[in-house]
Amino acid sequence: DAGITQSPRYKITETGRQVTLMCHQTWSHSYMFWYRQDLGHGLRLIYYSAAADITDKGEVPDGYVVSRSKTENFPLTLESATRSQTSVYFCASSEGRLAGYNEQFFGPGTRLTVL
Amino acid sequence: QKEVEQDPGPLSVPEGAIVSLNCTYSNSAFQYFMWYRQYSRKGPELLMYTYSSGNKEDGRFTAQVDKSSKYISLFIRDSQPSDSATYLCAMSGRSGGGADGLTFGKGTHLIIQP
Repeated sequence: DAGITQSPRYKITETGRQVTLMCHQTWSHSYMFWYRQDLGHGLRLIYYSAAADITDKGEVPDGYVVSRSKTENFPLTLESATRSQTSVYFCASSEGRLAGYNEQFFGPGTRLTVL
Repeated sequence: QKEVEQDPGPLSVPEGAIVSLNCTYSNSAFQYFMWYRQYSRKGPELLMYTYSSGNKEDGRFTAQVDKSSKYISLFIRDSQPSDSATYLCAMSGRSGGGADGLTFGKGTHLIIQP
């Protein structure tokens, strides 16, 4: 199906384990983003990527690692999960035109619980 | 102080009422102002965006931006139970969310009572 997908949709893990959340988009958008959504904080940017092999930190990058070897995929890895990383994670993408408005399209989210 | 402030609610109104949702912000560099709607356990979906100051209307929805006051609003006319959702304001600088991320408010949980 066309669009932006995330997997898994739900994940329960334990403190200290490595977890990878997957994001895939079919639009060939240049830019991809990872946000986390928590009660009391709203959506906060973790990392973003302008193109394959180009990534940059957002507001809350500590404890997360990203990579982007292909334009359509942007996985987010928690190398050693902590309880504070329990959250709902959203991936987004946009065309990244240099001028004018660029809508960000969001995936359905991954609900992660760290025990 | 967070860059974008938004009352989380909940805001409960009867069907047919006019709803007013608001956000304030502190960063003068913001140029694009967006409203996203998020249903429970779903991703945010764009409702409307506005560039710089002014009004924009789309059906029952009107977005207003007052950059001098650093204040944005979303009005919903003839509200329907299907409008019940969380409404997120979001802002960005030069590229409207393309080359940079969005800065979100906390979201306002809106309930339209039948």
